[in-house]
Amino acid sequence: ETGVTQSPTHLIKTRGQQVTLRCSSQSGHNTVSWYQQALGQGPQFIFQYYREEENGRGNFPPRFSGLQFPNYSSELNVNALELDDSALYLCASSLEATVNTEAFFGQGTRLTVV
Amino acid sequence: SQELEQSPQSLIVQEGKNLTINCTSSKTLYGLYWYKQKYGEGLIFLMMLQKGGEEKSHEKITAKLDEKKQQSSLHITASQPSHAGIYLCGADRPGNQFYFGTGTSLTVIP
Repeated sequence: ETGVTQSPTHLIKTRGQQVTLRCSSQSGHNTVSWYQQALGQGPQFIFQYYREEENGRGNFPPRFSGLQFPNYSSELNVNALELDDSALYLCASSLEATVNTEAFFGQGTRLTVV
Repeated sequence: SQELEQSPQSLIVQEGKNLTINCTSSKTLYGLYWYKQKYGEGLIFLMMLQKGGEEKSHEKITAKLDEKKQQSSLHITASQPSHAGIYLCGADRPGNQFYFGTGTSLTVIP
């Protein structure tokens, strides 16, 4: 158990809908990162939040957005869902937004877009 | 193209055999992480290597970092069914980004 919890564990949405995924970071961690992992591929970095601000972003369109709250929990929002958004979404928390810092991962949310 | 290429893509070994997984970066490595993932689940941190030539071991798993070659290897000695899963290397990138490798799927046959 890493102390990072994600909800829901599974979700089915229809193309065009919007979805919100949630992540509670490990106690004491102020940095949360989100990843998309398509079947059979490595996780792809979406963005990172540090002390409630986005401070790093991968190659994802603006319809992928996020929030980090004062308690450092986080949300990932995806608008106008597409079939290719079907994936396992992982969040990871770490102590600080610096290099060479171990990140602890949640179990993921499996999103299916039909 | 992938910034972190892993080889092999998949591996099937008999229990008790040794194996090596490689991770090669197309860019300078500032640190290299190894994670293990059980199918469809979250990632478990294995090791982090920070300096060229560094070698770390945990139980029967050893990882090395060759900074000059921009490469890392993960070696498992006397593999067990519990070692089965997907092994991922990862690296910090400028701009507070983090990249994962393509993954290596390991199956250990009892």
